Amino acid sequence: DTAVSQTPKYLVTQMGNDKSIKCEQNLGHDTMYWYKQDSKKFLKIMFSYNNKELIINETVPNRFSPKSPDKAHLNLHINSLELGDSAVYFCASSQGVQTQYFGPGTRLLVL
Amino acid sequence: AQSVSQHNHHVILSEAASLELGCNYSYGGTVNLFWYVQYPGQHLQLLLKYFSGDPLVKGIKGFEAEFIKSKFSFNLRKPSVQWSDTAEYFCAVIYYNQGGKLIFGQGTELSVKP
Repeated sequence: DTAVSQTPKYLVTQMGNDKSIKCEQNLGHDTMYWYKQDSKKFLKIMFSYNNKELIINETVPNRFSPKSPDKAHLNLHINSLELGDSAVYFCASSQGVQTQYFGPGTRLLVL
Repeated sequence: AQSVSQHNHHVILSEAASLELGCNYSYGGTVNLFWYVQYPGQHLQLLLKYFSGDPLVKGIKGFEAEFIKSKFSFNLRKPSVQWSDTAEYFCAVIYYNQGGKLIFGQGTELSVKP
């Protein structure tokens, strides 16, 4: 009965590869987000989708492409991975501007 | 651009000591305010939130926070910390005019000595 789930939990890959992270929420929320937490634990929003529509797109390289097949899912695809992409990626969901609930995170390590 | 500032990068306390973590945010109209906690290796969990009403809000695990509008502050307090409170604490703000974007402070690492 996990509210916000992400897969995989850990991802180790080589530079230049393409990888995807999946997120699902069963809270019935209309808005989903991707955040990046760097090595200093600083959290920054990357994207936000409301009812499958992109509403926030921060200054993120084009190599990152979010996809929302439906309200309950928001996936993140990353092309041509770079060393600097190593981080923890958190998915979150909310109903409008209400409280955001976070997933367990995906630890990405690019070698 | 709106920003959130947490005063302390790392706080070290002994068990039973009182805690206050400072948080200030820049002006930007109507806001919702949050404190999240991240235990080592885990995801963010909501400690408490303020949307409107009584500026003194109580959260889980004995935490409380006070919203002072004139100072743009939302400080987190706990009268007596426990070793299990060791974690990273994040203040975060949603500005209504920013489409729901949650802006985080830099985080404060709390270490509680047994």
